Amino acid sequence: AQSVTQPDIHITVSEGASLELRCNYSYGATPYLFWYVQSPGQGLQLLLKYFSGDTLVQGIKGFEAEFKRSQSSFNLRKPSVHWSDAAEYFCAVGDRSGSARQLTFGSGTQLTVLP
Amino acid sequence: GAGVSQTPSNKVTEKGKYVELRCDPISGHTALYWYRQSLGQGPEFLIYFQGTGAADDSGLPNDRFFAVRPEGSVSTLKIQRTERGDSAVYLCASSLGGANNEQFFGPGTRLTVL
Repeated sequence: AQSVTQPDIHITVSEGASLELRCNYSYGATPYLFWYVQSPGQGLQLLLKYFSGDTLVQGIKGFEAEFKRSQSSFNLRKPSVHWSDAAEYFCAVGDRSGSARQLTFGSGTQLTVLP
Repeated sequence: GAGVSQTPSNKVTEKGKYVELRCDPISGHTALYWYRQSLGQGPEFLIYFQGTGAADDSGLPNDRFFAVRPEGSVSTLKIQRTERGDSAVYLCASSLGGANNEQFFGPGTRLTVL
């Protein structure tokens, strides 16, 4: 069964600083990979996704993520964090084999941005 | 355009009661998903519909949980004999149905069982 690990429960950065959120997955092959953001009272919003091709993917709000097969990782990055980026971030994997369509999520990383 | 909507946004009930949670997917989306998110956790899959049929219900925790989508659009998640451990945010998502299609999430229903 697939699984996702987000080792950092909470990260604090200063506004304008760079950000990297870690995500490691366990899956038999190359999965579909996603990063979602959840703000209080809001639904999950997709930041970016990887299906195939270029391992560096660009998303919305200036985020990017890099798929590294050798490390089973899909870390999320942003060069300069804005106060509005404070939220909870979830990494997820999707099964590309068979008929399964559900996503398996990590437990999330809460991001605090200091002024 | 309209996104995924869920009603009610909050539901408080007493242990042992029956509840229904509703999801209106994005128009034209054939796939619909229910997830449950407990405090401090990521969403956990419950059930997936393709059209009117439940294609995968492997995430339903027990037979107190049931979901329907009779006309292939709106879905209702039904929980019988609620327990305090059922307290969570229940999320609904919809997509165009393929494995590589983005799932669009609703704002969720926060269920509290007293």
